Amino acid sequence: AQSVTQPDIHITVSEGASLELRCNYSYGATPYLFWYVQSPGQGLQLLLKYFSGDTLVQGIKGFEAEFKRSQSSFNLRKPSVHWSDAAEYFCAVAPYTGGFKTIFGAGTRLFVKA
Amino acid sequence: DAGVIQSPRHEVTEMGQEVTLRCKPISGHDYLFWYRQTMMRGLELLIYFNNNVPIDDSGMPEDRFSAKMPNASFSTLKIQPSEPRDSAVYFCASSSRDSNEKLFFGSGTQLSVL
Repeated sequence: AQSVTQPDIHITVSEGASLELRCNYSYGATPYLFWYVQSPGQGLQLLLKYFSGDTLVQGIKGFEAEFKRSQSSFNLRKPSVHWSDAAEYFCAVAPYTGGFKTIFGAGTRLFVKA
Repeated sequence: DAGVIQSPRHEVTEMGQEVTLRCKPISGHDYLFWYRQTMMRGLELLIYFNNNVPIDDSGMPEDRFSAKMPNASFSTLKIQPSEPRDSAVYFCASSSRDSNEKLFFGSGTQLSVL
């Protein structure tokens, strides 16, 4: 069955520190991979996506993610966190063959301390 | 573009009442999705449409839920009768083939069934 696992329910980092949010997926083949961010009271916004090619993808707001096929992982990173990055982050997958049936992980809540 | 527009933003109703949630997708998008978000179950895909036709409704929890898309610019999600366990945030999202499976989310409807 297709699934997305985000093992960390919440993470707290200090402002200026580096960040890594973990994501593992289970899928029949390499799917489309996404990271979305949700600020309180808002809908989700796409940070970045991976389809093929370079396994390190750059996104908005200084985020990047690395696809590792051997580990079925797509971890999100940022070298220096800002207080405005506090939000909930969702990893998601969609079938490579199309169909748009995007499945989301449970999310990781990021807290940033001064 | 105004983005995906959902109404109402908040809905409080009593158990047994009919609830109708509304969504206007981004103009030109031919895919429309309804998601439900709860603390316990995270983001669940309820149903999605392509060119106004329901493609996959396997996520609709039970017969009390129904969704329609009478035209390309409007969709409704109806719950009749509503129950307290339906309390959640309901998101509408839209997309198109040109967007490579990227979803554009509305701000959601916070539903509370008392």
